Amino acid sequence: DQQVKQNSPSLSVQEGRISILNCDYTNSMFDYFLWYKKYPAEGPTFLISISSIKDKNEDGRFTVFLNKSAKHLSLHIVPSQPGDSAVYFCAASGTNAGKSTFGDGTTLTVKP
Amino acid sequence: DTAVSQTPKYLVTQMGNDKSIKCEQNLGHDTMYWYKQDSKKFLKIMFSYNNKELIINETVPNRFSPKSPDKAHLNLHINSLELGDSAVYFCASSQVRGLSGNTIYFGEGSWLTVV
Repeated sequence: DQQVKQNSPSLSVQEGRISILNCDYTNSMFDYFLWYKKYPAEGPTFLISISSIKDKNEDGRFTVFLNKSAKHLSLHIVPSQPGDSAVYFCAASGTNAGKSTFGDGTTLTVKP
Repeated sequence: DTAVSQTPKYLVTQMGNDKSIKCEQNLGHDTMYWYKQDSKKFLKIMFSYNNKELIINETVPNRFSPKSPDKAHLNLHINSLELGDSAVYFCASSQVRGLSGNTIYFGEGSWLTVV
């Protein structure tokens, strides 16, 4: 039973446009959500997070939106840059970070 | 400075062998983890240690044995390697009680290929 799902395995956008990556979860006990970015041959790196008490968190070009009633979160990247091309993992956790459950990842390709 | 470092980065070995992957973090975190990324790209937690004590042990075969000599190190030893063990193994750490909350810091991964 996959508790965190990223239904789009890949996404391709033009440089300068908005990239929207989606993530759905099923466990209502999750209270902290994170996005990680992964380049080939490297480990995932933390990008942005959001607590369940918020519905939006912004950091530069990256904004994460949380819709608790729909158990859905999304990552917006605007404007998208070629360097943003990577695999993006959505993760959700409760009070124990170690139990973070990861989605399958979405491969974003930003075309120049 | 690499925050979470693991060695070796690439490992090719034969079935039945025993191998170890070492991990060290210099972030002062209390908690360390091993994750496995399989061929389907899923990231799944295998083990978690907090201050050298095992706190998470997901359904992992007994052939996998983590060892934490101190809170900055968490090594993964695998006995009697099987073809299905081929994967990328990520070491990670976090400071659960800190301001970084639930942020996990990953190493670069160790690519294990069993032939």
